[in-house]
Amino acid sequence: EVQLVESGGDLVQPGRSLRLSCAASGFTFNDYAMHWVRQAPGKGLEWVSGISWNSGIIGNADSVKGRFTISRDNAKNSLYLQMNSLRAEDTAFYYCAKDRDLLGATTGAFDVWGPGTMVTVSS
Amino acid sequence: QSVLTQPPSVSAAPGQKVTISCSGSSSTIGNNFVCWYQHLPGRAPKLLIYDNDKRPSGIPDRFSGSKSGTSATLGITGLQTGDEADYYCVTWHSSLFAVVFGGGTKLTVL
Repeated sequence: EVQLVESGGDLVQPGRSLRLSCAASGFTFNDYAMHWVRQAPGKGLEWVSGISWNSGIIGNADSVKGRFTISRDNAKNSLYLQMNSLRAEDTAFYYCAKDRDLLGATTGAFDVWGPGTMVTVSS
Repeated sequence: QSVLTQPPSVSAAPGQKVTISCSGSSSTIGNNFVCWYQHLPGRAPKLLIYDNDKRPSGIPDRFSGSKSGTSATLGITGLQTGDEADYYCVTWHSSLFAVVFGGGTKLTVL
């Protein structure tokens, strides 16, 4: 079964750091780009960051540039999101998502999603 | 405010048809593929349409997508109460080098 499972969400104070993880199974992880998407309470979905199959191409939303870093370990079938200098507006449910296209450039089509993990930034 | 504009809400009766619009620009929809997601409360988003008008395996043909110029449309026929959800259009932004989501449209099946 194709599956993504996020972990690492927590309550954290503003300015602190947090690292999210996403464990993948059931597909050839190193063939696909991967992404993080979030949803703040009462708001819509927002793409956060994406990474190509070989980590050669990385993109980030302007709202997290310079603060968040996406990475992957293909040997461990895992995706990560290092979040530094967290702000209250980073409070959201964070989803890990698999790109649909094999070894290609992303079109925003994510065909597998994890259940998500909640990050709350508050003092 | 999103670079992709969707109506905040649409509604229709069970069995009827509804369309959801998504307006962008030449940097987004005009030169890139569009996809659509359904997001039910408490659930992970589901890919409904990719590459403007293609349906993933398992998505019924009640759902359709189209694109013209800098706009895209999601159509849903034979509405069911289970279709009540938020719907999002998504594409690539060539200038921002980023994936962009529309603001989302809440579908109510009356």
